[in-house]
Amino acid sequence: QKEVEQNSGPLSVPEGAIASLNCTYSDRVSQSFFWYRQYSGKSPELIMSIYSNGDKEDGRFTAQLNKASQYVSLLIRDSQPSDSATYLCAVSSGTYKYIFGTGTRLKVLA
Amino acid sequence: SQTIHQWPATLVQPVGSPLSLECTVEGTSNPNLYWYRQAAGRGLQLLFYSVGIGQISSEVPQNLSASRPQDRQFILSSKKLLLSDSGFYLCAGHHRGHEQFFGPGTRLTVL
Repeated sequence: QKEVEQNSGPLSVPEGAIASLNCTYSDRVSQSFFWYRQYSGKSPELIMSIYSNGDKEDGRFTAQLNKASQYVSLLIRDSQPSDSATYLCAVSSGTYKYIFGTGTRLKVLA
Repeated sequence: SQTIHQWPATLVQPVGSPLSLECTVEGTSNPNLYWYRQAAGRGLQLLFYSVGIGQISSEVPQNLSASRPQDRQFILSSKKLLLSDSGFYLCAGHHRGHEQFFGPGTRLTVL
C-alpha cells in the first residue's frame, strides 16, 4: 500500500519563527510532490509543488525534496498567525492519483 | 483560471435517504475529476476518479456511486445513506500539466 506519512501535530511555533513540516512517502517511483494548506472547515489550497531534488522557494515558503531518502519538507519563514492551518502533503507517481497524508496541524502563537 | 463549483455547501440527511452531490468545472476542458471524502480530523480518502465522460474508477467499495454525464460535470450519488457516510466531500480537478485543485466542498451530516 502506497503511503504518505505526516506527524499530526499540533506543531506550535511563535510568531516570526520558522515552521518546519515534514513528510515521508513509500512509493519510490513518485515523481510529483505537493503541499496544500487547509483552514478549518475549508477545502485544501495548493501552496507549493516540487518535482526535482533540492529546494524550491516561493515567498516565505520553501519546499525541500530528497528522493533518495523519500522525504519532502515545507519551511515557512516569518510564521504568522494566519499560517495556522493543517498542511497536507500529497504525492503522485505520474498516474491520475494523488496520495495524501493525514496532515500536520500548525499553530502560530502571537 | 480553473474553478470548481460544488453544491450544496452543507447538507443534513436522514439515514436511508438518497444523495446527489454535483460538481462542475470552469476554465478547462477534459479534466480528470475526483471525489474525496474527509472524515472529521482525518485525511482525504479518494472515492472515485474519472478521466473522461462516462469513465469512472472506484477506489473504495461502498454504497456510493459516481457518474460523469458531461465533460465538466461530476456527480456523487447514493441510494441509501449510512451514518458512516457523514463527512466533508470534496470534488477536485486535474488537467494535464497542472496541479490538482479543489472545490469548496460539501459538509454532509447523516442523522
